[in-house]
Amino acid sequence: AQSVTQLGSHVSVSEGALVLLRCNYSSSVPPYLFWYVQYPNQGLQLLLKYTTGATLVKGINGFEAEFKKSETSFHLTKPSAHMSDAAEYFCAVSPPRYSGGGADGLTFGKGTHLIIQP
Amino acid sequence: NAGVTQTPKFQVLKTGQSMTLQCAQDMNHNSMYWYRQDPGMGLRLIYYSASEGTTDKGEVPNGYNVSRLNKREFSLRLESAAPSQTSVYFCASGGHPRETQYFGPGTRLLVL
Repeated sequence: AQSVTQLGSHVSVSEGALVLLRCNYSSSVPPYLFWYVQYPNQGLQLLLKYTTGATLVKGINGFEAEFKKSETSFHLTKPSAHMSDAAEYFCAVSPPRYSGGGADGLTFGKGTHLIIQP
Repeated sequence: NAGVTQTPKFQVLKTGQSMTLQCAQDMNHNSMYWYRQDPGMGLRLIYYSASEGTTDKGEVPNGYNVSRLNKREFSLRLESAAPSQTSVYFCASGGHPRETQYFGPGTRLLVL
């Protein structure tokens, strides 16, 4: 069974500081990996995703993530935090394969609440 | 394009009452999903539908039923609501099962 671990339910950084949100996964085969962001009282919005190829993935709003197979990690970073980045962030992993007969949905981590200090 | 829409946005039920949450997508996606979000738990899959006419259980299906009415619409029914079903419910759709899922705005459900 797949699983996703996000270290730190809450992360607080100062405006302008580096943002680092950690995500580790377990999967029997290399999965597709996703980061979603959720602003208060809204649905989830895709920030970025890794499928195959280049392991450093750039997303929206200046975020990027690096897939490290040896560490089974997909940490999210942003060089300089902005007040508008305050939100809940979710790491997710895809089903291990497409069987043709079903679609198992994404497996999500429990989320990290990012707090930006002025 | 409206993307994924959900109705209602908010609902209060009494224990034992029933209701149906509606979801529609206009992106011509084959796959649709229902998740619930609870504090500190992330999102958990309730049911999914890989294509019109098929549905399958996810991680937490007990107490729920679903209907894939057509390619656009996927509804979630609570036959006899319980306080444990108080949650925020999200519908999502996607093309290939391993690809990006697009989420609706959610339905906040309170069961008293």
